[in-house]
Amino acid sequence: TQLLEQSPQFLSIQEGENLTVYCNSSSVFSSLQWYRQEPGEGPVLLVTVVTGGEVKKLKRLTFQFGDARKDSSLHITAAQPGDTGLYLCAGRVVAAGNKLTFGGGTRVLVKP
Amino acid sequence: DAGVIQSPRHEVTEMGQEVTLRCKPISGHDYLFWYRQTMMQGLELLVYFNNKAVMDDSGMPKDRFSAKMPNASFSTLKIQPSEPRDSAVYFCASSLAGPYTFGSGTRLTVV
Repeated sequence: TQLLEQSPQFLSIQEGENLTVYCNSSSVFSSLQWYRQEPGEGPVLLVTVVTGGEVKKLKRLTFQFGDARKDSSLHITAAQPGDTGLYLCAGRVVAAGNKLTFGGGTRVLVKP
Repeated sequence: DAGVIQSPRHEVTEMGQEVTLRCKPISGHDYLFWYRQTMMQGLELLVYFNNKAVMDDSGMPKDRFSAKMPNASFSTLKIQPSEPRDSAVYFCASSLAGPYTFGSGTRLTVV
């Protein structure tokens, strides 16, 4: 059982559709990050959320941190083929210092 | 900055052989992390350093794995002897108490 559960594990949609990826845990996080990973490369940071209830927008991507800081979501509006990749959430548990625990990832495929 | 540099990019070795993976973190970053990624387990933290000292190696199989950071600009992850179940992509990441910057990884295949 992973500390951070992501759902769905895989998502295939058509260009222009919307999608939402979820990241859930029973633990409280001091901060939570979202990364995107493309084949053959390491994960690249998209955003960091720190405050419960926080919403951040990055162009067509909207990130939300749950009020209790136990969960998060990533919503993509009007997905493009360039959004294809593995999306990973990662959290810092309170009192765990700089150690990040990653979710299992959601593989997104946006078809033209 | 060139980012986090890992070498080699690919390694194929026979079971029982020693394998050494190398990492150069971003200059000035005081945290260095070694992760292993597989389809089944996702990204698993093996070990991490702060100011060259091991902070947590609870995820590392210590009978065959060892990690060192002899100076602030270099780290190694050694596997001896290697086994087929060690086949994975190994990532190094560095940080300055904030977001991580990952290298491009080393794809290890043990046959």
